[in-house]
Amino acid sequence: SAVISQKPSRDICQRGTSLTIQCQVDSQVTMMFWYRQQPGQSLTLIATANQGSEATYESGFVIDKFPISRPNLTFSTLTVSNMSPEDSSIYLCSVEVGQAYGYTFGSGTRLTVV
Amino acid sequence: AQSVTQLGSHVSVSEGALVLLRCNYSSSVPPYLFWYVQYPNQGLQLLLKYTTGATLVKGINGFEAEFKKSETSFHLTKPSAHMSDAAEYFCAVSVYLMGAQKLVFGQGTRLTINP
Repeated sequence: SAVISQKPSRDICQRGTSLTIQCQVDSQVTMMFWYRQQPGQSLTLIATANQGSEATYESGFVIDKFPISRPNLTFSTLTVSNMSPEDSSIYLCSVEVGQAYGYTFGSGTRLTVV
Repeated sequence: AQSVTQLGSHVSVSEGALVLLRCNYSSSVPPYLFWYVQYPNQGLQLLLKYTTGATLVKGINGFEAEFKKSETSFHLTKPSAHMSDAAEYFCAVSVYLMGAQKLVFGQGTRLTINP
C-alpha cells in the first residue's frame, strides 16, 4: 500500500492567516482526497484532486477558502485561507490504492485557530 | 444516495469481553465497505474491507466483519477486547460520485475498554 507523508502534523495559527498543508505519496496515484475532521466528528470530504485538472469540491466547500494544488502524481497541497476558529480541525489527505482496495490516509494535520 | 449509519457513538466493554460495533449502510448498488480505526492523535488505519466474495472478512488485530446484504449491515466484532483496542472506529462505504470513487463515513464509534 502507499505511504503518505503529511505535514505539518499540527499548527496553531492566528485568525485571518492562511496555512498550507502538504501531502507526499511514495507512489504515483491518480486521485488524492482531502478531508476535514472537526472536533469529535466524523470525516467530511472537502475535495478530490486529480493531477492536471481543477480539484472537484464537495457541497459546502469552495475553492477560495480551500485552494488545492496537484502539480504531479505524488504531491498535493491544501490551503486553508483566511482562517477563523471554526476552521480548527484535523485535515487529512488520502489516496486510493487500486479500485476498491482501500484508501490510505496521512497522519493528519491538527489545526488550531486562535 | 449511499450513506452509513453507526449505531452507538460510544461503546464501552470490559477487557476480554466481546466487541460489537454496528454499521448499517444504504446503497443502490453492491457496496464496497470498510472499517477504519483512529487512535488518539493519529490518522486512519484500515482494519478490513469487503469488496466481493466471502461475506465474512477478517482484518488486523483480531477484528472481523460480516457483510449481510439482507440486513444491509457490516458489523465489526472481536471476540476478546484488549486495552489497546480503545480508539475511534469508522465504518465507510465507497461510492462513485462526480467521476471518482469516494468514501462516505459513518459518524464514528468511540470504543472504551474497562480493566
